[in-house]
Amino acid sequence: AQSVTQLGSHVSVSEGALVLLRCNYSSSGPPYLFWYVQYPNQGLQLLLKYTSAATLVKGINGFEAEFKKSETSFHLTKPSAHMSDAAEYFCAVSGLTGGGNKLTFGTGTQLKVEL
Amino acid sequence: NAGVTQTPKFQVLKTGQSMTLQCAQDMNHEYMSWYRQDPGMGLRLIHYSVGAGITDQGEVPNGYNVSRSTTEDFPLRLLSAAPSQTSVYFCASSTRLGGYTQYFGPGTRLTVL
Repeated sequence: AQSVTQLGSHVSVSEGALVLLRCNYSSSGPPYLFWYVQYPNQGLQLLLKYTSAATLVKGINGFEAEFKKSETSFHLTKPSAHMSDAAEYFCAVSGLTGGGNKLTFGTGTQLKVEL
Repeated sequence: NAGVTQTPKFQVLKTGQSMTLQCAQDMNHEYMSWYRQDPGMGLRLIHYSVGAGITDQGEVPNGYNVSRSTTEDFPLRLLSAAPSQTSVYFCASSTRLGGYTQYFGPGTRLTVL
């Protein structure tokens, strides 16, 4: 069984401020972890993924996430927020059973960036 | 490559009607999945396929059927639509060689009256 918890359904930051979106997971085996971004009325775009290589993963648009096994966390960060970062962000976990293609998503975090 | 394509983009049905949501991918991915997205609930897996001729149920399969006769296509059938099936539906594909990264289509917004 696998699950994802995203703390904070809405996060608001000022432009230029640090972005921190929290994600905790549970998985019965070694997890694959993903962050996706969804802009209004669009599909999901992959930001970054962890697949048991380096624990600090760098993604697109300046985002990065750190896998911490002891804390079962995979928080998403960006040093300086930009207005274009406003979107909904989803953390997801995939186990290696069942072909590894069964993603379990968190409920999402809506990021608002203010001037 | 067109990636993952879905048709239609929008659909309105009456309760009890049936329809098929189309999904196709041109990346030769072995895995394909269907998800539904509802406000405050994230995306939930409906059905998935690990190859042509092989499908299985996900978290919320009731009211939906799938089949996969080719690698490219993975249609989702609603046999008798219900208002509870009002949602945005996303199809995704992935491959083991790509580390199981799922690539999503643009979605179908379905309203059942």
